[in-house]
Amino acid sequence: NAGVTQTPKFRILKIGQSMTLQCTQDMNHNYMYWYRQDPGMGLKLIYYSVGAGITDKGEVPNGYNVSRSTTEDFPLRLELAAPSQTSVYFCASSTRKELRFFGPGTRLTVL
Amino acid sequence: GIQVEQSPPDLILQEGANSTLRCNFSDSVNNLQWFHQNPWGQLINLFYIPSGTKQNGRLSATTVATERYSLLYISSSQTTDSGVYFCAVEQADRGSTLGRLYFGRGTQLTVWP
Repeated sequence: NAGVTQTPKFRILKIGQSMTLQCTQDMNHNYMYWYRQDPGMGLKLIYYSVGAGITDKGEVPNGYNVSRSTTEDFPLRLELAAPSQTSVYFCASSTRKELRFFGPGTRLTVL
Repeated sequence: GIQVEQSPPDLILQEGANSTLRCNFSDSVNNLQWFHQNPWGQLINLFYIPSGTKQNGRLSATTVATERYSLLYISSSQTTDSGVYFCAVEQADRGSTLGRLYFGRGTQLTVWP
């Protein structure tokens, strides 16, 4: 099993550009999550999904969109990138209560 | 949302020393987890411990849910223990949805040889 994979590892965007962060898991987990981590802070939940076709907002959803068309994939879309979205983004998956598996992260800089 | 406070914010130890990290939370929880983020940024789940005590090797954790705190004990620390330790909680159901973990700001642990 590859676990949770994320692409790209690094990205620099200009203000106003858009991009999609990819996340894939091969453990057949129903629950998937997107978090962002700002320097010196804990993780904040952006969006999550409890199964294909079902998504919901977390603490900080503004400026982002998600979709979940398959169990395996949970892409995060940034529209009109802003400097405030400079962060490290983590995708995670779990079977239910216990959040166990994180991807390696995507480091995004918006200039 | 629920507030999660961790202490101390920074901890510097000599190899072999023991330490206790604390996590206080402001409301009832039905999920509490401890994570380690290594210096390369990788996040690793250490414990799922909404109540009670668990041990895994040199690490152990205790959660006293009625008093709204959890402790992570690291014994005989090693340089590989360095990194940031996060506590994360899920508020007990008040219309909240499963999986909404709120993270503390973490304890930065540095272990010197």
